[in-house]
Amino acid sequence: DGGITQSPKYLFRKEGQNVTLSCEQNLNHDAMYWYRQDPGQGLRLIYYSQIVNDFQKGDIAEGYSVSREKKESFPLTVTSAQKNPTAFYLCASSIDTGIGTEAFFGQGTRLTVV
Amino acid sequence: AQKITQTQPGMFVQEKEAVTLDCTYDTSDPSYGLFWYKQPSSGEMIFLIYQGSYDQQNATEGRYSLNFQKARKSANLVISASQLGDSAMYFCAMRGLVLGGSQGNLIFGKGTKLSVKP
Repeated sequence: DGGITQSPKYLFRKEGQNVTLSCEQNLNHDAMYWYRQDPGQGLRLIYYSQIVNDFQKGDIAEGYSVSREKKESFPLTVTSAQKNPTAFYLCASSIDTGIGTEAFFGQGTRLTVV
Repeated sequence: AQKITQTQPGMFVQEKEAVTLDCTYDTSDPSYGLFWYKQPSSGEMIFLIYQGSYDQQNATEGRYSLNFQKARKSANLVISASQLGDSAMYFCAMRGLVLGGSQGNLIFGKGTKLSVKP
């Protein structure tokens, strides 16, 4: 069964801690993305990667970091520098970044700071 | 700068009726693609329909159709014969050749919450 798996589904973080959100895909897609979703804000791009060992900042990268060491994996670390990390995080992938290429999404991770 | 605007935060429609969800966009890219996604309460994003900027005909996928008016920069989603299961958030998205320096990324509008009444 091909798809994108995000884990965990729910995550709680204490203030000052770093946490890592997992995203794995078995679709053999080159491109992967991380979005943040807040109520009423739509999806905002955090980081994206067009190919292994390469990634670029999106619109709201401050306080986040990523790595792309393997084609199928694109983990997102929410660092203590992110002042308001409570949100719903969505990972996506696409076969490439052509204008007609749809993105496939995971089920999301809901992060709450306690 | 590229931008997607969805002006309807919430919409109501009677079951079996048709509904139109608005989407306008702004881009200077010569070619671009427009997408609609559905997000049920479970949170997963589900791809619905795609329209290319050079496509001559409006896209259709089952009960979904896209009313594409290039000169007006609008790409409205039409859902025919609404069903209770259509209740969800709907997002319009765009991908261009170069999006604010981030080539080929999908940018999203803020979404419209559709509620279907029995």
